[in-house]
Amino acid sequence: AQRVTQPEKLLSVFKGAPVELKCNYSYSGSPELFWYVQYSRQRLQLLLRHISRESIKGFTADLNKGETSFHLKKPFAQEEDSAMYYCALRPLSSGSARQLTFGSGTQLTVLP
Amino acid sequence: DSGVTQTPKHLITATGQRVTLRCSPRSGDLSVYWYQQSLDQGLQFLIQYYNGEERAKGNILERFSAQQFPDLHSELNLSSLELGDSALYFCASGTGSGYTFGSGTRLTVV
Repeated sequence: AQRVTQPEKLLSVFKGAPVELKCNYSYSGSPELFWYVQYSRQRLQLLLRHISRESIKGFTADLNKGETSFHLKKPFAQEEDSAMYYCALRPLSSGSARQLTFGSGTQLTVLP
Repeated sequence: DSGVTQTPKHLITATGQRVTLRCSPRSGDLSVYWYQQSLDQGLQFLIQYYNGEERAKGNILERFSAQQFPDLHSELNLSSLELGDSALYFCASGTGSGYTFGSGTRLTVV
């Protein structure tokens, strides 16, 4: 079974400060990790996939298989980053049953 | 517009009633996933369909059922509704590269 843990329910930082949202996972196979963002309980939007290794809106995340972590980081937080962030995992395998398992989410508030 | 369409956007109904939520996946996507988002339970995977067939089941109650039609749209049926079923219900479609979510249906049971 797979599990995703986001230990912080709430996180507040000041504008311009660095931010790190923690994500740990457990899965016996090879995982694919994602970060999704949700503004005001609207549609979930894909922020990052670990496979693509891209940076979106200044956010980056590195998969650390040794620590089974996929923390989301941004060097300088902006007020518009305030949102709910979800870490998610799905098996990196062939086959069609590849649903995402989500963490419980972290509500990020960037203070002025 | 994400390409995944969910209707209706809002639904208010009474306990004991039955409702149907509809999802049209993004063009070309064969898989449809249903998720329930409630304040106390977070995002819970309910069920997945792939090209008309059920492929995976999550924490879906027996009062809930789903199907995917030949045109690939999917419907989630919720019956004998209880107050605790009030939640946002999201549908997502996807292929190998990831998932795209619809805007959700906000269900309120009164």
